[in-house]
This record gives sequence, C-alpha cells and structure tokens, in this order.
Amino acid sequence: SQQGEEDPQALSIQEGENATMNCSYKTSINNLQWYRQNSGRGLVHLILIRSNEREKHSGRLRVTLDTSKKSSSLLITASRAADTASYFCAAFYKLSFGAGTTVTVRA
Amino acid sequence: AAGVIQSPRHLIKEKRETATLKCYPIPRHDTVYWYQQGPGQDPQFLISFYEKMQSDKGSIPDRFSAQQFSDYHSELNMSSLELGDSALYFCASRPQGPGANVLTFGAGSRLTVL
Repeated sequence: SQQGEEDPQALSIQEGENATMNCSYKTSINNLQWYRQNSGRGLVHLILIRSNEREKHSGRLRVTLDTSKKSSSLLITASRAADTASYFCAAFYKLSFGAGTTVTVRA
Repeated sequence: AAGVIQSPRHLIKEKRETATLKCYPIPRHDTVYWYQQGPGQDPQFLISFYEKMQSDKGSIPDRFSAQQFSDYHSELNMSSLELGDSALYFCASRPQGPGANVLTFGAGSRLTVL
C-alpha cells in the first residue's frame, strides 16, 4: 500500500503566490521526506522532517508534521516558474511514494 | 559531486525481447533501489539491495531480476518485455549511517517497448 498520499493532485498558481500541498500516511514513521520531480527527470530530495519535529524550514520551503493525524504539509512561499514540478512525500517504511502533487506556476 | 549514473538513458525494444539497465551508485553508497514510473504514474518501488544482498522487494514482476555486484553497481534485467513495461526506470542510492534515509536518484532510463 502507498505510504504517502498527496493532496491536491494538481495545483496551478501565479508566480509569487504560495503553494500548499498535503500528505497523509498510514503507519508509524521515524521521518518523512519530500521530493521534487521535474518532468521526466529523477526525484530530488527537498527536506526531511523527523517524527519528533513539528515544523522545519529550508529556504522557501516549510514542512509541518502531525504524527497524531499521520499527515504532513509542504508550503512553498513566493513561488517561481522554476518550482513547476511534481512533489512527492515519502514515509520511509516501505520505500513507497504517493501519487504526488503536480504544481504549475504561471508567470 | 558524483551522482548516481544510469545507463542507457534511452532504450527501445520490441515485445518479448530482453533489456538490461545499469546503475552506478554514489561512491560509498552501499544501498541501491530500483523504481518504475509509468506515464503519469507515481514511482513504484521494485527492489533494493544492501551490501550486494536483496534487502527488500516491491512490485517487481517475475520476468524481472536484479543484482548488485561487488563494486556496488546494480543491474536490472527485464525479459519477455511487454508494452506495459514502457516506463522510466530510476535507480537511487543511499549510504549507511547518519542521514542514511535520504535517497539520491539517477536521471533514469527510459524504456520504450514497441
């Protein structure tokens, strides 16, 4: 079964706006990770949040984790055209990725 | 910095043929993962190796096999290819120890089965 399910499946925003996507998982974790994939390319690691952390920042990225709800969110602030990609979360229990959120940033 | 190298980048095969994909992990990364991503699909975990031994198995068809060699590179062998095997195949590697959960992905090998 999938260890990460993203919501929404697709998101279209204007450059400069914020993009928020959510991820739910099913089992206990020791960390949750977010990856980005540009079309037809390999996945690139963005950020890792440990189970004892509630929020983490990295540049324009902000990740939250709620282990009681088994959910995480990724916020991209001040989006740019280069942020256009698919975003996947992965709760590394069974090494599975969810369906991903495709983000399109319009200039 | 060295990355994960996959070859070939593109491969075209006919139905029922065989194909072999290769993956060269980052130096000192001893764990390798294989993923299959069909068009518009999420990456599906196929199989992983740690220290040349299979460590986990996902949705890998029986027609596929893989191994990790003494230099830690890995090969994915696919036989009796079907149209549905057309996909991007990613290899990822990670080290053991602190920070070990983060995977570094290769650029992928695109297989087209005609």
